[in-house]
Amino acid sequence: KNQVEQSPQSLIILEGKNCTLQCNYTVSPFSNLRWYKQDTGRGPVSLTIMTFSENTKSNGRYTATLDADTKQSSLHITASQLSDSASYICVVSAGGNKLVFGAGTILRVKS
Amino acid sequence: DVKVTQSSRYLVKRTGEKVFLECVQDMDHENMFWYRQDPGLGLRLIYFSYDVKMKEKGDIPEGYSVSREKKERFSLILESASTNQTSMYLCASSLPQGGGQPQHFGDGTRLSIL
Repeated sequence: KNQVEQSPQSLIILEGKNCTLQCNYTVSPFSNLRWYKQDTGRGPVSLTIMTFSENTKSNGRYTATLDADTKQSSLHITASQLSDSASYICVVSAGGNKLVFGAGTILRVKS
Repeated sequence: DVKVTQSSRYLVKRTGEKVFLECVQDMDHENMFWYRQDPGLGLRLIYFSYDVKMKEKGDIPEGYSVSREKKERFSLILESASTNQTSMYLCASSLPQGGGQPQHFGDGTRLSIL
């Protein structure tokens, strides 16, 4: 069964600290993996996409990694800001329009 | 920037009513999607459309139907609303080759069925 599991379910960190969110998947075939950020009351917005051949990709203070062998991805946030408070959703594509969504990690950054 | 607009942010309806949720996108995208989002479950696909008048069932189509008469507009219909359809509904659009293209989401409609 195609599944995407994210951990932790929720996380609270102090402003300025780093954090890492995890995504494990069992999706076949694998096409790509995308991280979305969803602010409260808003729709998800794409942060980055990882294809099979990519190990690391950065988007500002966000760095995503992919290990296709172990079927794991992580999203690392550096020097967190209050505006990073959001839900982060990992989505794996099995090709075409078939997407498998994780349940998300809720991040709260405190001052 | 792509803009996906959902007609209502909040909606309260009664059990048994026929409910229409509207979505409009302004980027000429072929693909449009309807999801529902529930805590702990993530987004689940209800229906999607890859062209005008074309539709495909997603993972949870029961109790829902859709209409796409124009490329920019995709409507979700709850034929006879029930309390278990209380949820956040998100519409999205994308270019073809769905997996490689990001989906652009609206800000959602929070629907309560009483």
